[in-house]
Amino acid sequence: RKEVEQDPGPFNVPEGATVAFNCTYSNSASQSFFWYRQDCRKEPKLLMSVYSSGNEDGRFTAQLNRASQYISLLIRDSKLSDSATYLCVVNQGDSSYKLIFGSGTRLLVRP
Amino acid sequence: DVKVTQSSRYLVKRTGEKVFLECVQDMDHENMFWYRQDPGLGLRLIYFSYDVKMKEKGDIPEGYSVSREKKERFSLILESASTNQTSMYLCASSLTGTGFYTEAFFGQGTRLTVV
Repeated sequence: RKEVEQDPGPFNVPEGATVAFNCTYSNSASQSFFWYRQDCRKEPKLLMSVYSSGNEDGRFTAQLNRASQYISLLIRDSKLSDSATYLCVVNQGDSSYKLIFGSGTRLLVRP
Repeated sequence: DVKVTQSSRYLVKRTGEKVFLECVQDMDHENMFWYRQDPGLGLRLIYFSYDVKMKEKGDIPEGYSVSREKKERFSLILESASTNQTSMYLCASSLTGTGFYTEAFFGQGTRLTVV
């Protein structure tokens, strides 16, 4: 089983749609959770950290479910510019700085 | 802003060559990482370093070595390049903070082709 698993997609949605991605992780000792965004042929960039209580940044909402070991990302009112690959990232158990990346979920927002 | 700079965007090397990929960060981060990214496989950790002269193997270290003689610089070495090392190589750095939210900052990537 992979340490971090994501649905590769692609998710193909119209502008204005709400879309949600889930990501599961295998190590119950993990403490740090992030969503990164990666545009085609570019480096990954931090989208948001995921806090235990859940957090929101504009149109983006991240949730953590420790009991079921998954994190989610909700994007409301999708824009064309949201088209990218979204990477789920989890630290490796008791090592706070070693980050494990999922393979990514591709999002395509169409006009 | 954190800046992580990789020495080359594109490289073409021949099978058997020794290849050096250089990475420099300017934010005094303790931790530095080398990943490779391949379609369908995501980012896989090759090596990481949590201090000068310290290194640890990641998930796929075979065929690679690293060097960290100065805090700001982390080099990835392909001892004898092979075609299966054709990939996108990404360097990253992060702080060792007191909390857990030590996100990694990435360089722009080096697309290496071994022919």
